[in-house]
Amino acid sequence: GAVVSQHPSRVICKSGTSVKIECRSLDFQATTMFWYRQFPKQSLMLMATSNEGSKATYEQGVEKDKFLINHASLTLSTLTVTSAHPEDSSFYICSARPGTAVNNYGYTFGSGTRLTVV
Amino acid sequence: AQKITQTQPGMFVQEKEAVTLDCTYDTSDQSYGLFWYKQPSSGEMIFLIYQGSYDEQNATEGRYSLNFQKARKSANLVISASQLGDSAMYFCAMGRGSNYKLTFGKGTLLTVNP
Repeated sequence: GAVVSQHPSRVICKSGTSVKIECRSLDFQATTMFWYRQFPKQSLMLMATSNEGSKATYEQGVEKDKFLINHASLTLSTLTVTSAHPEDSSFYICSARPGTAVNNYGYTFGSGTRLTVV
Repeated sequence: AQKITQTQPGMFVQEKEAVTLDCTYDTSDQSYGLFWYKQPSSGEMIFLIYQGSYDEQNATEGRYSLNFQKARKSANLVISASQLGDSAMYFCAMGRGSNYKLTFGKGTLLTVNP
């Protein structure tokens, strides 16, 4: 089945530094990937849609300069949290949807990254 | 705007019994997909079942079935023969549009008691 690998699974960083999270589709090509944020005991909120070879589309209220998304290849999207602050601490999770009929409706999620900013 | 409503913040069920998790949705689109995901404490999102808006039969996947009532705009998840490992957060989601973005409900925390 479709597998999405997300790294790191946990990261602690100092306030003011930047953190990069990687999301890779291992056995399929993903022209579109999605980045979500989840606060404790809450639902997943879509942050942005990452499109290979073009700019990401951000949801309303998401700061594009703070959450930089790069989708440089059909198998890799990265989310960089710039100048992180404690309020950015959260669970970030990516998902991808194969563009082929392998699983043309099922989204596969990465295992998530728990970011703690101290 | 589309909306997913899960009215049960928490549910308890005895092991080996069946449980129904409620989900209602609101959309004006004719074409959409409904999903259920399981999120254990580890955080990963596990795809359980999918129902397309044009599918006439209810989807089933092993012990999971989706009770799709289009006129009522409901897509309840039924888990039969609950197991202790079913204890987790369950999210209902809807996908629509050219990018097929998912909108999630707030989730239901299911606890299976031995």
